[in-house]
This record gives sequence, C-alpha cells and structure tokens, in this order.
Amino acid sequence: DAGVTQSPTHLIKTRGQQVTLRCSPKSGHDTVSWYQQALGQGPQFIFQYYEEEERQRGNFPDRFSGHQFPNYSSELNVNALLLGDSALYLCASSWREISAGTEAFFGQGTRLTVV
Amino acid sequence: SQQGEEDPQALSIQEGENATMNCSYKTSINNLQWYRQNSGRGLVHLILIRSNEREKHSGRLRVTLDTSKKSSSLLITASRAADTASYFCAMGANSKLTFGKGITLSVRP
Repeated sequence: DAGVTQSPTHLIKTRGQQVTLRCSPKSGHDTVSWYQQALGQGPQFIFQYYEEEERQRGNFPDRFSGHQFPNYSSELNVNALLLGDSALYLCASSWREISAGTEAFFGQGTRLTVV
Repeated sequence: SQQGEEDPQALSIQEGENATMNCSYKTSINNLQWYRQNSGRGLVHLILIRSNEREKHSGRLRVTLDTSKKSSSLLITASRAADTASYFCAMGANSKLTFGKGITLSVRP
C-alpha cells in the first residue's frame, strides 16, 4: 500500500518565478491538505481539497493556489516566489476532513529553495 | 488561530530511559495527533487520541489527554538512539490540523 507521495523532493527557483508541487494521497484517501514548514517551526496549514474543491484555507496569500484531480491527487502552485517562500512543503492525506477518528498521513515533503 | 505549545523545547536522555513530552492547546479539539520528524523530512504519524479518550497505547508509546486542562503528554518508554527526532503535537479541529513548534529529542547511546 503506497503512502503519500510528493514530487519533486527538492527544487530551487528564482525570485518571481512560479512553482508547482505535486501530491498523490494514500490509497483510499480522498482529502488532501497542504502545509508549509519553515526551518525550526511547526507546519502551517495552507489549504485543503476535497471533491476537487478548496474547502478550507489558512492565512496564506492568493499567490498560493491549488487543484485536486478526479483521482484525488493534488497540486500546489505558488506564483511570484519570494525568498520567504523557502520552506518544506508537506502534503497530508486523510479520509474526508479531520474529525474525531481521522488520521492524517504526510508525505516526505518538497524542499523549496528560492534564491 | 489555535496554537499548540510543546514542552520542553528540547530533551536529552540516555538510551533506555523514558521520555515524556507535553503539549498544551487553547481551544476545543476533535482529536490530538503526535508525529515524529527526522532531519527535516516528512512527518511520521505516531498515534491519535480522540477528545473523548483519556489514554491510549501503541507499542512503546503512551499518550494521555486531559481536555479540562487542554493538555496532552506523550511517553516513549525504553528509548532508543533511533528515537532521536523532532516530535510534534497536532490539534485536530475545524477539519484541519494545527501544530506546535515541536520538541527535539536526543537519545544518547
């Protein structure tokens, strides 16, 4: 049973560029959430996708956008990259939204460096 | 937004000793989940405890939850060098997880 897979593992981009990160959820899961983890900090919630729609959004600017496909995989897009966007981007999958018994499983992350 | 606070921020113990890590939060939760992270890689799910549960075990892990005090603790018994990692508590509420800043655990051989 494949877990959550993310690609690429590492990425270096220049300020002002755009980036797309990809995530395939764990088998049987239909909800994907994205988190940003800066160095030395805990992950911060970016947004969540279920049934191909953005259901929840954290405190992130519109430069951050996403998409979910019919096979439940998801993309995170960041436009007009800033140096401060350098971080580990984590994808989490779950069966539906987080409720009492819902476990969320994370991928290995994509390390984005903006220079 | 709700934040979790872990305590201590760093913990160093000898192999074979027990490690206790604490987490406090501010508002109501559906569940609390603990994760491990090695060297900035992905998060590994350790254990989930629901808001109506008080204690849960999984192998060498024991987690407790006190909703009246809005706190949780994670106990790792008989620690191993391989347990060296960062540990995060994550509060499940409003359909998402909110994380603390994490605890760095070092287990000396």
